[in-house]
Amino acid sequence: AQTVTQSQPEMSVQEAETVTLSCTYDTSESDYYLFWYKQPPSRQMILVIRQEAYKQQNATENRFSVNFQKAAKSFSLKISDSQLGDAAMYFCAYRRSGVDYFGTGTSLTVIP
Amino acid sequence: EAQVTQNPRYLITVTGKKLTVTCSQNMNHEYMSWYRQDPGLGLRQIYYSMNVEVTDKGDVPEGYKVSRKEKRNFPLILESPSPNQTSLYFCASSLRASQVAKNIQYFGAGTRLSVL
Repeated sequence: AQTVTQSQPEMSVQEAETVTLSCTYDTSESDYYLFWYKQPPSRQMILVIRQEAYKQQNATENRFSVNFQKAAKSFSLKISDSQLGDAAMYFCAYRRSGVDYFGTGTSLTVIP
Repeated sequence: EAQVTQNPRYLITVTGKKLTVTCSQNMNHEYMSWYRQDPGLGLRQIYYSMNVEVTDKGDVPEGYKVSRKEKRNFPLILESPSPNQTSLYFCASSLRASQVAKNIQYFGAGTRLSVL
């Protein structure tokens, strides 16, 4: 069974606008970590943001923020003021027992 | 500079010819792992290692071997590569594998392997 689901294979956003990428996960544990990674055309995997499940407050990193809904097992990524350099594949990941499980990714296009 | 280094970055080989992709980290990390990335499938874990001499299978271990004789190195071995192992491979490391640890995972730049 898929542990992490990203239901949007592709998304697009106008430059300077806001876009939200969705992610849901399946777990019976209460303590875990969630991550969003960015993979630009260079193929390098870059950590964008991290959320600890025990924290109520949503994580933010500059223009990137998450909407973490623990009961709903939802972990969406919001990118504000989108820039051309944000164009990339974005992966959501869930960490359980030291292993990271990745979603299938969402390809984000930024339209000038 | 803290980094995870994979070699080679690109590799083309033929079916059945043994190959090794090396991975080295300079951060004294305990945890290392290998992933393969295929279109529409995201990243799938092949093998991981909690520490020296401790390795375990991930989601897709068939056709691969690993070893962890020393902390900094975690090579991925394909004894008899087949075309279905054509993929993009990533090595990653993390300070510890503890579930409650706040460790982010550092990724190498990737190795693109083509098996003809």
